[in-house]
Amino acid sequence: EAGVAQSPRYKIIEKRQSVAFWCNPISGHATLYWYQQILGQGPKLLIQFQNNGVVDDSQLPKDRFSAERLKGVDSTLKIQPAKLEDSAVYLCASSSGQGNTGELFFGEGSRLTVL
Amino acid sequence: AQRVTQPEKLLSVFKGAPVELKCNYSYSGSPELFWYVQYSRQRLQLLLRHISRESIKGFTADLNKGETSFHLKKPFAQEEDSAMYYCAPRSKLVFGKGMKLTVNP
Repeated sequence: EAGVAQSPRYKIIEKRQSVAFWCNPISGHATLYWYQQILGQGPKLLIQFQNNGVVDDSQLPKDRFSAERLKGVDSTLKIQPAKLEDSAVYLCASSSGQGNTGELFFGEGSRLTVL
Repeated sequence: AQRVTQPEKLLSVFKGAPVELKCNYSYSGSPELFWYVQYSRQRLQLLLRHISRESIKGFTADLNKGETSFHLKKPFAQEEDSAMYYCAPRSKLVFGKGMKLTVNP
């Protein structure tokens, strides 16, 4: 089966610019997650969707980050305006189970560098 | 909040040596914990979860409620075990900071 797809793989922008990342989960997976992984740290959940509804966005900096999953399949994560501290790898993951007990399947990530 | 701590960032051993990657948790209720692994140039993937009590690639992890730990162990490390290992709580809100295991020939 095809894995979680993410694009772009790499992005370099200047601070105050905007950027968007796209994720296509594994077919049939209802739950989709966006993580931020800063160098030297573990992944931190930004937002979790169940179909097209938000389950948890408690750690999403809502003043500059937004995410949507309009049709319950693909998702986009946007940062506007970007700050230097947003430099990180943005990971998308999906799972088939409801709740948080299921296995997560990760994409390759989108590496963002903010100059 | 469900929190996990990986106290060590690096571990380097020789092939055939035992390894133990430490993970401590600090939340109440019924803990449910996972180990994820990322091999070089590969995606982060599930290694094992404590509820299944399985052994994957020779690794095991036992939940110790008394010590609030979920250490990952393997009796004889192999070079292909070299990777980043992350402990994660049930909520998956924040993974542990990860530990880099290097197994030398």
